[in-house]
Amino acid sequence: DSGVTQTPKHLITATGQRVTLRCSPRSGDLSVYWYQQSLDQGLQFLIQYYNGEERAKGNILERFSAQQFPDLHSELNLSSLELGDSALYFCASSPQAGHSYEQYFGPGTRLTVT
Amino acid sequence: LAKTTQPISMDSYEGQEVNITCSHNNIATNDYITWYQQFPSQGPRFIIQGYKTKVTNEVASLFIPADRKSSTLSLPRVSLSDTAVYYCLVARSGNTPLVFGKGTRLSVIA
Repeated sequence: DSGVTQTPKHLITATGQRVTLRCSPRSGDLSVYWYQQSLDQGLQFLIQYYNGEERAKGNILERFSAQQFPDLHSELNLSSLELGDSALYFCASSPQAGHSYEQYFGPGTRLTVT
Repeated sequence: LAKTTQPISMDSYEGQEVNITCSHNNIATNDYITWYQQFPSQGPRFIIQGYKTKVTNEVASLFIPADRKSSTLSLPRVSLSDTAVYYCLVARSGNTPLVFGKGTRLSVIA
C-alpha cells in the first residue's frame, strides 16, 4: 500500500460524457502527478500540481483538466469522452525533496468508454 | 531528458540472478537514474535510484559505470513474484514528472 488513494477503482461511461477522478496523496506530500496508461501509448505523464499550483504539463488533452485543492487532494476531469480515452489513470505523489525520484503511485482508476 | 533503451523482454528461472541493462547515452551531468517495477493493473513502484558507482538496497542493486551511459539493475535470486515490467528512467531533478519508456517485461519461470 503506497498511501495514495484513488477513487473510483473502475468507471464505465459512454462517449461524450464527463467524469471526475479523485486522488488523495500520501500524508504530507505536496506534489501530485497524473499519468495515463493505455496499451498503445504506454505510461504517459499528464499534469503535475504542487501545493495547489500547476507545476508541469505533459500530454494532456484540452478536454482534460485537473486541480489540487487546499487539503491537497486532486481531481482529474475528463470531458467529451472518446473511445480512445479508455485507459488506466494513475495518480502519484512525492515528498518535498531535492534529489528524490521516488513517486508513490495509487492503485489507479480504470476508465472504460463505450 | 536522455532517452533510455532497454530490452523489451527477458526470461529467467526462479532462483537466478537477473541483470537488466539500460542505455542512456545522452545522460546529462545532473541527471539521476531510477528504476521502477510495475505489476499488471497496478501503479509503478519505485525500486532504486543512483547517480554513479553502485547502490544496493533490500530489493536490488544498481550498477552505474564511470561514463554513466548505461546502468544495470540486478535482482538477486528472483522468484515468480518478480514477474513484472521494469522501467529504467533518467530524471533531471526531484519533484519532476517521470518519463516512462516501454520497459522490460521480465518473466520468471518455475
